[in-house]
Amino acid sequence: QKEVEQNSGPLSVPEGAIASLNCTYSDRVSQSFFWYRQYSGKSPELIMSIYSNGDKEDGRFTAQLNKASQYVSLLIRDSQPSDSATYLCAVKRPGGSYIPTFGRGTSLIVHP
Amino acid sequence: KAGVTQTPRYLIKTRGQQVTLSCSPISGHRSVSWYQQTPGQGLQFLFEYFSETQRNKGNFPGRFSGRQFSNSRSEMNVSTLELGDSALYLCASSLGSGLATTNEKLFFGSGTQLSVL
Repeated sequence: QKEVEQNSGPLSVPEGAIASLNCTYSDRVSQSFFWYRQYSGKSPELIMSIYSNGDKEDGRFTAQLNKASQYVSLLIRDSQPSDSATYLCAVKRPGGSYIPTFGRGTSLIVHP
Repeated sequence: KAGVTQTPRYLIKTRGQQVTLSCSPISGHRSVSWYQQTPGQGLQFLFEYFSETQRNKGNFPGRFSGRQFSNSRSEMNVSTLELGDSALYLCASSLGSGLATTNEKLFFGSGTQLSVL
């Protein structure tokens, strides 16, 4: 069983819409949750981190965490073509390891 | 502040050869981790080094090895290359210690695109 699951997509949304990216994880004790954005041919870049249940907003991005359901999501409001990228969900257990487990990513396409 | 630097950017090798990739972390970062990324498998963790010691290891064969130097720079070596080793190899650095959650954040280099013919 894959530890971090994401729908590979592509998820296609029109410009100006809300894009909703979802991620589920299997390790119930996971404590840290990250969203990385990766443009085609580029390396991943951290855009959001969340550690407690609820919503965390940063500009047009909102991360949502529900530990009881083992679910984390990323909402992108007012989607722009420049948001077209692969979004990687990463999850980390508490403790000594600083290495998260990555999902395979969801490809997002924002069309004009 | 300079970012994570990986060299070379591209490599073409033939089966059976070996290759060494280099990664210079952000100044002050003591953790360097390596990942293999392919379209089919996504981002796969290879290993992590912290203060010159391998701290974590993924599920890759022994052909994949690494090391870290006292200045935190890291190298990754792949011996006896196989066609399936063709991939983007990414390294990431982080502070890697302490309780602050910011210490967990990974900063990736641009990667080395390895093609094995």
